[in-house]
Amino acid sequence: QQQVKQSPQSLIVQKGGISIINCAYENTAFDYFPWYQQFPGKGPALLIAIRPDVSEKKEGRFTISFNKSAKQFSLHIMDSQPGDSATYFCAALDSVSGLTFGKGTHLIIQP
Amino acid sequence: DGGITQSPKYLFRKEGQNVTLSCEQNLNHDAMYWYRQDPGQGLRLIYYSQIVNDFQKGDIAEGYSVSREKKESFPLTVTSAQKNPTAFYLCASTPTQGIYGYTFGSGTRLTVV
Repeated sequence: QQQVKQSPQSLIVQKGGISIINCAYENTAFDYFPWYQQFPGKGPALLIAIRPDVSEKKEGRFTISFNKSAKQFSLHIMDSQPGDSATYFCAALDSVSGLTFGKGTHLIIQP
Repeated sequence: DGGITQSPKYLFRKEGQNVTLSCEQNLNHDAMYWYRQDPGQGLRLIYYSQIVNDFQKGDIAEGYSVSREKKESFPLTVTSAQKNPTAFYLCASTPTQGIYGYTFGSGTRLTVV
């Protein structure tokens, strides 16, 4: 049973465009929703995170939108740059089972 | 600098051999985790440990073993019973179990030859 579903699996965006990655979850016990960025050969690094009592969080060019009733959340990367090319993982945390990851999105920003 | 150190970065194993992956943290975190990453599969939890001398199986523990004799160290052994061990292995830690603030190491890529 996949508790966190992430889409798309891969995404190509032109430089300066908006990259959008979507995730959906099933477990209502999740109470923290982070996004991780991973470059080849490296471990994931926390990019931005949101709690379910907030509908949107913005940090620089990165924004999380959260829809609690639909059990969905998304990452928007504004003014996408070639340096943003990486694999992005959404995740969801509950205090019992820990962190559950989506399957990842391979993002390529074309110059 | 505080962080997680995984070694080696690359590891080659012959079929039928056991190998041990090292994970050391100097963050004074209580909880440590091992994840396996395969292309298109995300990160899957192998084992986790909340305190010294205690650990629990994750979603894909078969063919793996761990120990937690010291707070700073959480080595993972990939045994010959693991039928498809070629993967990227990631170690992580948090201050306590179920608390956000996961810190990841840089990973070990294991290849069976």
